[in-house]
Amino acid sequence: GAGVSQSPRYKVAKRGQDVALRCDPISGHVSLFWYQQALGQGPEFLTYFQNEAQLDKSGLPSDRFFAERPEGSVSTLKIQRTQQEDSAVYLCASSPRNREQYFGPGTRLTVT
Amino acid sequence: RKEVEQDPGPFNVPEGATVAFNCTYSNSASQSFFWYRQDCRKEPKLLMSVYSSGNEDGRFTAQLNRASQYISLLIRDSKLSDSATYLCVVIEDSSYKLIFGSGTRLLVRP
Repeated sequence: GAGVSQSPRYKVAKRGQDVALRCDPISGHVSLFWYQQALGQGPEFLTYFQNEAQLDKSGLPSDRFFAERPEGSVSTLKIQRTQQEDSAVYLCASSPRNREQYFGPGTRLTVT
Repeated sequence: RKEVEQDPGPFNVPEGATVAFNCTYSNSASQSFFWYRQDCRKEPKLLMSVYSSGNEDGRFTAQLNRASQYISLLIRDSKLSDSATYLCVVIEDSSYKLIFGSGTRLLVRP
């Protein structure tokens, strides 16, 4: 069956631009997570949704980062006024009510 | 101090070798433990959960020592296809967040 998909797979943004990263979770998965993975590091938690409710956004690094999941399915991670330190792979994961998390292929963001 | 610490490697071993990775975690209230595998430029994938009694899945054996806050992964009879980064992962308390180590890179050579 279809796994988690993310788009775009690659994004190059000039410093100061806004970007929007999309995640399509596995159909029926209640939980959705966003992680940020810097080069040579493990993924770090950003935010968590259960259906449309954002239950934890403690990992978002600044108020430039915003995530939504308005209908409890597709989610968008938005980064405003991108900075070079935002360059990373952004991973989305979904799970059927907090069991195993299945990761998407990620969006590789490069801020120049 | 990072919550989950791993030796970054790389571990460079010949095919057929046995190799072991270790990981330590700082929060004694951690509840769940996993090893994930990540291939270059790919997403992490669950390799196996780690249980207090230790568990085995084919050539892979995982062990947990709660007293020492230490997790290990043993790979026997290494294959070329085992070359990847192995991520130690912890879930704290009753949380749902995966907390990853930085990963240990394994290179298996012919």
